[in-house]
Amino acid sequence: EAQVTQNPRYLITVTGKKLTVTCSQNMNHEYMSWYRQDPGLGLRQIYYSMNVEVTDKGDVPEGYKVSRKEKRNFPLILESPSPNQTSLYFCASSPAYRGRGSPLHFGNGTRLTVT
Amino acid sequence: GNSVTQMEGPVTLSEEAFLTINCTYTATGYPSLFWYVQYPGEGLQLLLKATKADDKGSNKGFEATYRKETTSFHLEKGSVQVSDSAVYFCALKPWAGGAQKLVFGQGTRLTINP
Repeated sequence: EAQVTQNPRYLITVTGKKLTVTCSQNMNHEYMSWYRQDPGLGLRQIYYSMNVEVTDKGDVPEGYKVSRKEKRNFPLILESPSPNQTSLYFCASSPAYRGRGSPLHFGNGTRLTVT
Repeated sequence: GNSVTQMEGPVTLSEEAFLTINCTYTATGYPSLFWYVQYPGEGLQLLLKATKADDKGSNKGFEATYRKETTSFHLEKGSVQVSDSAVYFCALKPWAGGAQKLVFGQGTRLTINP
């Protein structure tokens, strides 16, 4: 089954404790991206990657890091989490060059709480 | 810049009612337009899309028409069901470049009562 898998689904942590949220897709997609979802703000892009070893900042990259060492994986790293990073996070993937109508495929989300 | 504005929620309707969720956008050129749906505890799923002016996207009884003159992409359904209860997001993909970035509206929570 074609899917984007995020882990964990739920995570509660404390300020300053480094954490990683994993994302993996099995569709051989070039493009991967991280979004955060907050009430009243919709989804905002954190980072994206056009292919292996190619990453770039989205609209709200502060406090986050990513890496793309393999095509299927795109982990999101919070080196020193803060309470304002409490949010619902989504990983998404897409073919990079399949036309303007190609949709994003989303994972089921990771709900992060930083106390 | 590019932006999407959706009608404020939450929206509560009775089963079999007519649904409209308004969406307007600001963008240069000719963006592609999408509606995504998020069911409780799940990620976003593509509901329908349109890639050029006057295109009509449709799926599962939902429809939306790309209106360039009014920069709108309103979502409609003639008779809603309880199972349509979800959060709906309007989104655009900018015209320029190869990136697949989507710009999302704030989402509209829809609740259908039996």
